Amino acid sequence: DVKVTQSSRYLVKRTGEKVFLECVQDMDHENMFWYRQDPGLGLRLIYFSYDVKMKEKGDIPEGYSVSREKKERFSLILESASTNQTSMYLCASSLGTSGGVNEQFFGPGTRLTVL
Amino acid sequence: GQNIDQPTEMTATEGAIVQINCTYQTSGFNGLFWYQQHAGEAPTFLSYNVLDGLEEKGRFSSFLSRSKGYSYLLLKELQMKDSASYLCAVLDSNYQLIWGAGTKLIIKP
Repeated sequence: DVKVTQSSRYLVKRTGEKVFLECVQDMDHENMFWYRQDPGLGLRLIYFSYDVKMKEKGDIPEGYSVSREKKERFSLILESASTNQTSMYLCASSLGTSGGVNEQFFGPGTRLTVL
Repeated sequence: GQNIDQPTEMTATEGAIVQINCTYQTSGFNGLFWYQQHAGEAPTFLSYNVLDGLEEKGRFSSFLSRSKGYSYLLLKELQMKDSASYLCAVLDSNYQLIWGAGTKLIIKP
């Protein structure tokens, strides 16, 4: 079974703090993704990566950065947390081939509250 | 722009059948996914359709009509554990997943 883990289930930070969210997958997947999920808005893509040291902006990258130094690990960084970044953050990974189903497997999520 | 529409909330009775619709307008199409998400948990994969027609998997079936930009998820013999949100997502021409806001399904005894 594919396992995607995230460093924290719940996190409370103060405005202006630097926040690190870690994600690790154990199935040698090429692709990794960071989403945020807010009520009524669905999943919104922040950043994704198709390979080590490679990153691409998603739909809402402002205020975020990412790092992928190793294939299995994809980190999301909030440089200076703000209250509008209070959300559920979901990490996902997928195999990477263009053919086939190539579904995304999700981590349990991190519920971040910025005070 | 790209758009995925699905009802916000639906209610059904235990043991019954429910159909959750999804319509989409995207730049290109490389498949449609349905995911289930229980409250406070991560989404889990249910089905994938890339060709027109019905895909059946136990109590769950998913249908796709590419010409109509339409899909539905059919849940039979509903159980209380089926209470969850159901997310529709389309893989566009750039192989990016476009997500709907999800349909919250409430099952009543």
